[in-house]
Amino acid sequence: EAGVVQSPRYKIIEKKQPVAFWCNPISGHNTLYWYLQNLGQGPELLIRYENEEAVDDSQLPKDRFSAERLKGVDSTLKIQPAELGDSAVYLCASSFGQGVKDTQYFGPGTRLTVL
Amino acid sequence: DAKTTQPPSMDCAEGRAANLPCNHSTISGNEYVYWYRQIHSQGPQYIIHGLKNNETNEMASLIITEDRKSSTLILPHATLRDTAVYYCIASGSGNEKLTFGTGTRLTIIP
Repeated sequence: EAGVVQSPRYKIIEKKQPVAFWCNPISGHNTLYWYLQNLGQGPELLIRYENEEAVDDSQLPKDRFSAERLKGVDSTLKIQPAELGDSAVYLCASSFGQGVKDTQYFGPGTRLTVL
Repeated sequence: DAKTTQPPSMDCAEGRAANLPCNHSTISGNEYVYWYRQIHSQGPQYIIHGLKNNETNEMASLIITEDRKSSTLILPHATLRDTAVYYCIASGSGNEKLTFGTGTRLTIIP
């Protein structure tokens, strides 16, 4: 079974440039998550989708961050414009959406460096 | 989600049992204890979860105290591949937001 796929794995951009990350969840998983992980810290949720609906985006900085999950399968997270403080690892995860018994499966992440 | 407290780092000899503690004194009655680990340069990986009974699977055992204010993750025979950051999380549901702390960095010593 293929895991959560993310691309690119690494991205280096200059500040004020736009950047996009792509995630393909495990087949059949209804719930998709985007997390942000700063160096030395645990991941923090940015947004959670149930199928194509964003059910928790309270931590997403909406002035510069946007996300979409068209057709309820793969998802794109965008930053425009990027700032120096956005340098971090962006993790995508997916789950079946079974509540308590659910487990989240994480991709390898995209490491973003903003210069 | 209830706050959890873990030691920042631990060492364990290869082949020995690794016992990772977690305090969650404010956990509510409907919150489960989840454990994930993160090996360097990888995404977090689910290990185990439980409510109040002890749980065991192929990866680890989870011991939860009777008052549910603390728990211990046990890796019975640690290998070098178990070197990772281990996160203890209290959550009402596995598919909602997971609030990761800074975790315990476990180093397995050859």
